[in-house]
Amino acid sequence: DTGVSQDPRHKITKRGQNVTFRCDPISEHNRLYWYRQTLGQGPEFLTYFQNEAQLEKSRLLSDRFSAERPKGSFSTLEIQRTEQGDSAMYLCASSPEARETQYFGPGTRLLVL
Amino acid sequence: AQTVTQSQPEMSVQEAETVTLSCTYDTSESDYYLFWYKQPPSRQMILVIRQEAYKQQNATENRFSVNFQKAAKSFSLKISDSQLGDAAMYFCAYRRKFFSAGNMLTFGGGTRLMVKP
Repeated sequence: DTGVSQDPRHKITKRGQNVTFRCDPISEHNRLYWYRQTLGQGPEFLTYFQNEAQLEKSRLLSDRFSAERPKGSFSTLEIQRTEQGDSAMYLCASSPEARETQYFGPGTRLLVL
Repeated sequence: AQTVTQSQPEMSVQEAETVTLSCTYDTSESDYYLFWYKQPPSRQMILVIRQEAYKQQNATENRFSVNFQKAAKSFSLKISDSQLGDAAMYFCAYRRKFFSAGNMLTFGGGTRLMVKP
């Protein structure tokens, strides 16, 4: 068990381009969370999955954002028509059950030029 | 909605000394979880310690302990015998206990801890 992994670790893109990030949770963790962290701030919740079902989305998740978790395994977060305000660290976390601790991945740092 | 506030953007401590990081939160619920997470520079966030609100006893993990004051909605972290490896951003976080509308973490803004040799 190597922990939560995220790919890529860094992404630089031009405004208006689409980007996709991937998260691989710890094996057999059925809950998966996405957070966004801007520089110098604490992470903010974006969305979470229980198995393949997306059960909650934050108001921060505009219609340019979409997340999937096919087959309840890895998850992807796509941002369409990126804006400079999307520049942030995107963190993924997983937990085995609702009451258990969330374990975080290393994050994907996005820079939109 | 729950909010978490960390009023100390930066703290510094001499190696081997003790430091306390502050956190206050606001909630209307009576049962919940509180956490301290550590985020070293360019490294992933890891759990330091967690507290269940219904437990009156303060949680302890080796050199890390908390002072949980439920009535005051205060949750401070004490680091004893500080080490250079303790230098990091520390985030206080809140989570609802009952899994109804979700159990996402609500984070404070963080405290940057510097450890001086």
